[in-house]
Formats: sequence, structure tokens, C-alpha cells
Amino acid sequence: DAGVTQSPTHLIKTRGQQVTLRCSPISGHKSVSWYQQVLGQGPQFIFQYYEKEERGRGNFPDRFSARQFPNYSSELNVNALLLGDSALYLCASIRAPRSSPLHFGNGTRLTVT
Amino acid sequence: QQQVKQSPQSLIVQKGGISIINCAYENTAFDYFPWYQQFPGKGPALLIAIRPDVSEKKEGRFTISFNKSAKQFSLHIMDSQPGDSATYFCAASIDPSGSRLTFGEGTQLTVNP
Repeated sequence: DAGVTQSPTHLIKTRGQQVTLRCSPISGHKSVSWYQQVLGQGPQFIFQYYEKEERGRGNFPDRFSARQFPNYSSELNVNALLLGDSALYLCASIRAPRSSPLHFGNGTRLTVT
Repeated sequence: QQQVKQSPQSLIVQKGGISIINCAYENTAFDYFPWYQQFPGKGPALLIAIRPDVSEKKEGRFTISFNKSAKQFSLHIMDSQPGDSATYFCAASIDPSGSRLTFGEGTQLTVNP
């Protein structure tokens, strides 16, 4: 089975712009989570979605939003980009809440200039 | 608020030696404690995980030791190999699925040949 796939792998944006990141979970996995990993730090939880509904949200501003589609893929949107949004954005999937383990993709490296 | 503290920040060991990484947590509601391994350009990959009803779990060369009263847990890598050189993250979750993880800040391990 293919792992969690994310696109694009790299992205460069300018301050104030908007960005959309995409994630396809492992086949059979219905829950997707998003994490932000700033260079030199551990990942920080942004969102969890299950069956197209938001199940959890981390301490991130409203500029961050996400959604999950009927095929369980997901998009993360970030509006009004700031320099501090530069990070590796990781998507992870599990079969369902209360099942483990969490499988991560290789991330999208976002650079905001 | 940093809920999971990890040390050391970096670690250098010789091939064949034992690598030890420590983590401490604050939230007693945490009930799932995984360790992730991350190579440059890749997403974190689950290495081993433990729940607080056991004090130790071993998988191959990797062992988690868990001290519930001290709110601490550690990763031991026996017979460390150059291929183990990576960044290691401890994490904790209230959700037993581990889908909403709080990560430590990471330990960069270098194993010299």
C-alpha cells in the first residue's frame, strides 16, 4: 500500500498570499491530521478530521483552515501568510480515532519570503 | 506551554554503544507515549510506543522505560549503528489513538562508525 502522500513537496510564497496543501491518506484510513514542524522543533498539532468533520484543533489562528473530502483526502489552507508560517507541514492518517498508529507523510516544505 | 520536555538536544555515541534519550511530561491525562524517528527530508516514523500500564517495552534494539510516578519516559537504543543517526522525538497523547500528539523538541542522534 502507498503511504500518506502530500503535494506539493516544496512551495515558495510571498507574505500576504494564500496557500493550499494537499494530502491523500493511506488506503482505508478515514482520519487525517495536520501538523506544523518549524525547523529544529517537534511537530505541532493543527487539525484532525474524521469522516469530513473536524475532530480537533490546535492552538493556531483562524488563518489556518482545513477540510476533508468524501474520498478522505484533505486540504490545509493558510491565508495571509506570515514569515513565521515557514515550516514543514505534515499530514498523518489513521484508520479511525482510537486506532493506532499514526502514519506521517513526508510533508510539504513551505517557505514564505 | 511545553507539555513534553526532551533531553538531550543532541547526542553523539560510538557504534555499538547505548543511546539514551529522556522525556518528561506534565499532563497526567496522557495515556499513550510513542517515539518517532525522523530522517532529513522525511516525515516522522513510529519507532515504538508504550501505554502507562506497563513499565517497559522492548522491540529489537529499542526499549522504552516508563516511570508513571515521576512522569518520565526514556528511549534506549542498544548496539547503536550509524544508520540510527536521525532525529528522535518523544510524544504523548490523551487520545489513545495517538492522533493528536504533543511532541518533544527532538534529539539529534549521531552514531560515529
